[in-house]
Amino acid sequence: EAGVVQSPRYKIIEKKQPVAFWCNPISGHNTLYWYRQNLGQGPELLIRYENEEAVDDSQLPKDRFSAKRLKGVDSTLKIQPAELGDSAVYLCASRNTWAPQDNEQFFGPGTRLTVL
Amino acid sequence: AQRVTQPEKLLSVFKGAPVELKCNYSYSGSPELFWYVQYSRQRLQLLLRHISRESIKGFTADLNKGETSFHLKKPFAQEEDSAMYYCALGSRDDKIIFGKGTRLHILP
Repeated sequence: EAGVVQSPRYKIIEKKQPVAFWCNPISGHNTLYWYRQNLGQGPELLIRYENEEAVDDSQLPKDRFSAKRLKGVDSTLKIQPAELGDSAVYLCASRNTWAPQDNEQFFGPGTRLTVL
Repeated sequence: AQRVTQPEKLLSVFKGAPVELKCNYSYSGSPELFWYVQYSRQRLQLLLRHISRESIKGFTADLNKGETSFHLKKPFAQEEDSAMYYCALGSRDDKIIFGKGTRLHILP
């Protein structure tokens, strides 16, 4: 199995441009997470979905960031407009919440965003 | 406040020597602690969790509630252990808070 799939793997844009990231979680995983990882830091949660519902978006900068998870499967994260400080790796992770004894999050390879 | 502290950004250890990656946490309640690892050019993956009390790739970690620590240990380092290691804290509201990570470099 491919695991969590993310695209693109790399993206370079100029500031003020929009950008979108896509994530396809592991089949059957109802919980999906988007994290941002700045250089030299650990991942920080942006938003968490249970199926198609965003149950925790308290850390999402809603003035420029938006996310969707239609039909409770794959998800997109958008930044519009991008700022220099948005340069980071954006990680997607998924988990099968229906198996509480196994609460492991599985991570995708990430999208490395560079804003010029 | 919930917090994870990894005091070392970089740890260099000779092959065959013991390894200890430090992790301290701040959490009111019963914590759930994890160690994640990221090898070069690979994705972040779970190494071990405290509730399993198991040894993975020779690594162990014991939760010390008195010292609020969850240090990762291995008696004899191997070159393939070189990676980024992140300590993480799971909270009641299903959040996972990561530390800043420690880069482990095994010297030949």
